[in-house]
Amino acid sequence: DQQVKQNSPSLSVQEGRISILNCDYTNSMFDYFLWYKKYPAEGPTFLISISSIKDKNEDGRFTVFLNKSAKHLSLHIVPSQPGDSAVYFCGFKSRETSGSRLTFGEGTQLTVNP
Amino acid sequence: DARVTQTPRHKVTEMGQEVTMRCQPILGHNTVFWYRQTMMQGLELLAYFRNRAPLDDSGMPKDRFSAEMPDATLATLKIQPSEPRDSAVYFCASGLVTKGRGEKLFFGSGTQLSVL
Repeated sequence: DQQVKQNSPSLSVQEGRISILNCDYTNSMFDYFLWYKKYPAEGPTFLISISSIKDKNEDGRFTVFLNKSAKHLSLHIVPSQPGDSAVYFCGFKSRETSGSRLTFGEGTQLTVNP
Repeated sequence: DARVTQTPRHKVTEMGQEVTMRCQPILGHNTVFWYRQTMMQGLELLAYFRNRAPLDDSGMPKDRFSAEMPDATLATLKIQPSEPRDSAVYFCASGLVTKGRGEKLFFGSGTQLSVL
């Protein structure tokens, strides 16, 4: 039961341009959404989040957009920098489950070329 | 600088052997998760503890995997017997659940397991 889908396993952009990473989900009970970033040989680290009552949250170069009607989550990075090259996971939390159980997508490898 | 500590960082073993992975969550955190990263499945949830009690281990193959929290400073994930298909990176994460939701998880650096 694949509740979360990151359709692009990889994305390559030029430094200074915008990076757009996408996630689609099917579970309408998801009410909190997060993005994590993972460098090689390290654990994922929290990047940005958004609750279902909002449709946009911005933190510096990173903006997360939520389209609840389309069940679509996206992360925009602008301008992209070579240090942003990493695997990005979208994470979803359901109001059905207690605590902080997160369901993650498969990840998208972002490469920012100098 | 508080962090989740996982040991060992790397483990190579032969099929059929027992593997034990350990995790020290961040002091004060009351939730602990075990995730497995594979190429095809991304981050799969294996087990989830809250206040040391197991809440969800539905993602774990029950016949060979077991997860425990003997105390608040130690979580373990055991595989017995191990199989080549268990080869993956295993992450432990901890968090603090308060009233409401939205807290973020902090991940360890993972255990790279190779079963030959």
